[in-house]
Amino acid sequence: SYELTQPPSVSVSPGQTARITCSGDALPSKYPYWYQQQSGQAPVLVIYEEFRRPSGIPERFSGSRSGTMATLTISGAQVEDEAVYYCYSTDISGNRVFGGGTKLTVL
Amino acid sequence: QMQLQESGPGLVKPSETLSLTCTVSGGSIRGYYWSWVRQPAGKGLEWIGRIYYSGSTTYNSSLKSRVTMSVDTSKEQFSLKLNSVTAADTAVYYCARDVWFGSEYGLDVWGQGTTVTVSS
Repeated sequence: SYELTQPPSVSVSPGQTARITCSGDALPSKYPYWYQQQSGQAPVLVIYEEFRRPSGIPERFSGSRSGTMATLTISGAQVEDEAVYYCYSTDISGNRVFGGGTKLTVL
Repeated sequence: QMQLQESGPGLVKPSETLSLTCTVSGGSIRGYYWSWVRQPAGKGLEWIGRIYYSGSTTYNSSLKSRVTMSVDTSKEQFSLKLNSVTAADTAVYYCARDVWFGSEYGLDVWGQGTTVTVSS
């Protein structure tokens, strides 16, 4: 079955840039999405169609894609950005798939 | 602003059927796809499947044999049934709107989630 691979954890100091990667064979042809899930909460969409931000999402969140890898970048990470981040995409059969999640620590 | 609310039994016995309903408020169920996603405690998210307001469905191939989704537009609700459950089906279950962003579909509005435990 199709998999999206993320690093289990990323750690930065406040104000630094955090980069979270997601790799998948179908990413060259299928857009990545990114969700933020804070402890005990439902996921929140922070990036859709590779780099677009929903209204209300701070500009420090950005997305990019190169080949089979997508990257979520948080420029000037804040303590409140601590969360688990999931990438999400579609395989060639139309199945939706989430990555395993990356725990972002900002301290 | 659209809101989604999951409801259903929090405890299901092994081998029985898990049944959940998601109620849509602040907007219409018509014109959209609606998905279910689950998350075992301490683990990642798993997409279960989706249903169009007209009733057409797409299920995760790994769960397809046990999943049935339905929709009731008059009640602004859609539902999930998962049969022959085991402890591995214990999770928080979320409903979400699956919206066309212009190039692909993605999940933009989520319910708060409901915990279902499978245990005798």
